[in-house]
Amino acid sequence: EPEVTQTPSHQVTQMGQEVILRCVPISNHLYFYWYRQILGQKVEFLVSFYNNEISEKSEIFDDQFSVERPDGSNFTLKIRSTKLEDSAMYFCAISDRRNQPQHFGDGTRLSIL
Amino acid sequence: RKEVEQDPGPFNVPEGATVAFNCTYSNSASQSFFWYRQDCRKEPKLLMSVYSSGNEDGRFTAQLNRASQYISLLIRDSKLSDSATYLCVVNEAGGSYIPTFGRGTSLIVHP
Repeated sequence: EPEVTQTPSHQVTQMGQEVILRCVPISNHLYFYWYRQILGQKVEFLVSFYNNEISEKSEIFDDQFSVERPDGSNFTLKIRSTKLEDSAMYFCAISDRRNQPQHFGDGTRLSIL
Repeated sequence: RKEVEQDPGPFNVPEGATVAFNCTYSNSASQSFFWYRQDCRKEPKLLMSVYSSGNEDGRFTAQLNRASQYISLLIRDSKLSDSATYLCVVNEAGGSYIPTFGRGTSLIVHP
């Protein structure tokens, strides 16, 4: 059974629209992460989240991105005004410690039209 | 700029073969290292952590060479099910923690 589930599995959205991707860890974890993987390219770190705040973020994670954990279980990634280049797989991951292996969800495929 | 480099392959090997991949990293202060496998259009799955003393898990052996700044993965007695892309992940040391992924090495095991 996966430790993390992500919804939706596939999201198709018009350019300029807002999207919210969701991640639900099965059990309690301390660290949460979002990554993206553009088709045919490497996995890229976006942001890490600990103790209800962002702990690190990459240069990709600009003002159009935000994360939150609204109800203590779901962990969401919001993209405010999507661009064509936001089309990618988005993976959520969790770990118990900062420098420990991470376990990934099965991803959301985001397609921007 | 911190880089993690891998030979993209593909490595084409017959069942039962032994195959090895290397991954080089540019930041000498890197602290922890992992190998993941990724099947086509699926999520990365942890294969093993890489320890300074080297470690083995069944048919898989991982090693770290800090002096030359590379990690390796050895797969013995390859199975068809080992066909996948193998991702090297390097974590930085110090206050900033941003995992850096390599582009992956593709392995194809054929009958």
